[in-house]
Amino acid sequence: KQEVTQIPAALSVPEGENLVLNCSFTDSAIYNLQWFRQDPGKGLTSLLLIQSSQREQTSGRLNASLDKSSGRSTLYIAASQPGDSATYLCAVKDDYKLSFGAGTTVTVRA
Amino acid sequence: EAGVVQSPRYKIIEKKQPVAFWCNPISGHNTLYWYLQNLGQGPELLIRYENEEAVDDSQLPKDRFSAERLKGVDSTLKIQPAELGDSAVYLCASSSSGGIQETQYFGPGTRLLVL
Repeated sequence: KQEVTQIPAALSVPEGENLVLNCSFTDSAIYNLQWFRQDPGKGLTSLLLIQSSQREQTSGRLNASLDKSSGRSTLYIAASQPGDSATYLCAVKDDYKLSFGAGTTVTVRA
Repeated sequence: EAGVVQSPRYKIIEKKQPVAFWCNPISGHNTLYWYLQNLGQGPELLIRYENEEAVDDSQLPKDRFSAERLKGVDSTLKIQPAELGDSAVYLCASSSSGGIQETQYFGPGTRLLVL
């Protein structure tokens, strides 16, 4: 069974600092990995999707890397803003199923 | 374009009562998912539909949970009877075809509290 772990569980940084969020998974036979954002009381919004053949994906201030062989992904958020405060979840897809980590809750202090 | 719609957004019931959640996926999306998200955890898949067929319900506790997707569009998830441990957020998601590379789009969820 795929196990997805996210460390740290919570993170608090001052505005402007770069954020580094980590995700690890136990079975490297995945099709893709996604990073999601979840705001309190809201559903999940997809941020980035990295195919298994890719090493990284970028969108604006967000950059996600994937090392499938070691079972790791990292989400970088440059120059953090208070609006980046949310819970960030990673999910890996094997077969047709998404397996999620528990998330990292980020607070960006103004 | 409207996203995935779920109702109700919040529900409070007493244990042993029945409860139902409704989901309307994005127009044209053939694949529909129901997830359970416990506090502080990531979502876990309960059931996946391709059109009106439940193609993966292995994680659905069938003694008390049931789901249907009549006509392959809207879906209803039911719990009867509810237990205290069912308090959680129930998320619905949809994707265009359910293919391996497809992105899933999530609704806002229904937050259930069982007293």
